Amino acid sequence: DSGVTQTPKHLITATGQRVTLRCSPRSGDLSVYWYQQSLDQGLQFLIQYYNGEERAKGNILERFSAQQFPDLHSELNLSSLELGDSALYFCASSLDSGANVLTFGAGSRLTVL
Amino acid sequence: SQQGEEDPQALSIQEGENATMNCSYKTSINNLQWYRQNSGRGLVHLILIRSNEREKHSGRLRVTLDTSKKSSSLLITASRAADTASYFCATRQIFQGGSEKLVFGKGTKLTVNP
Repeated sequence: DSGVTQTPKHLITATGQRVTLRCSPRSGDLSVYWYQQSLDQGLQFLIQYYNGEERAKGNILERFSAQQFPDLHSELNLSSLELGDSALYFCASSLDSGANVLTFGAGSRLTVL
Repeated sequence: SQQGEEDPQALSIQEGENATMNCSYKTSINNLQWYRQNSGRGLVHLILIRSNEREKHSGRLRVTLDTSKKSSSLLITASRAADTASYFCATRQIFQGGSEKLVFGKGTKLTVNP
């Protein structure tokens, strides 16, 4: 157990739907990162939050949004889902805002049918 | 875009042999990290090497860094079946304004046959 908790572990939904993925960072970590892993694109950085504020943005689609709450947990919202959004979504956390050593959760596997 | 590119994409060896994976990157870095991922699971940090270091060891792992060639290698000695996993290198990219992201390569899939 890495200390980073992600729910749900698996999610199956239909095109056009909206889902929310949740992440609780490791105790004491202030930064949360979201990554998408698919077979053809590899591991893509989506977005980072640090202590409640957006810190860095990567290849995140406009249909996707995220936030970090005062208790430091984070949610990634995916809307108007397409088949191509099927992937593993990872949350990672770190102590500070610098992208040094990340602790990853087990991931949420999203399947869009 | 991928910052690090691992080579080879896949590697199959026998238990007890050494495994070497390489990573090339494009921009200046201040550190390079290696992570491991068992099938369908989260990534686990293995080792970090700073730009002013040339070699680092951790147990059966040996990492080298050549900043002039923008490349790194990960050597796993005396491999075991349990080492079967994908291995990723990761480098920090710094945006204007100072924000950073950790960029991963596509990984090397290592299979260690018993």
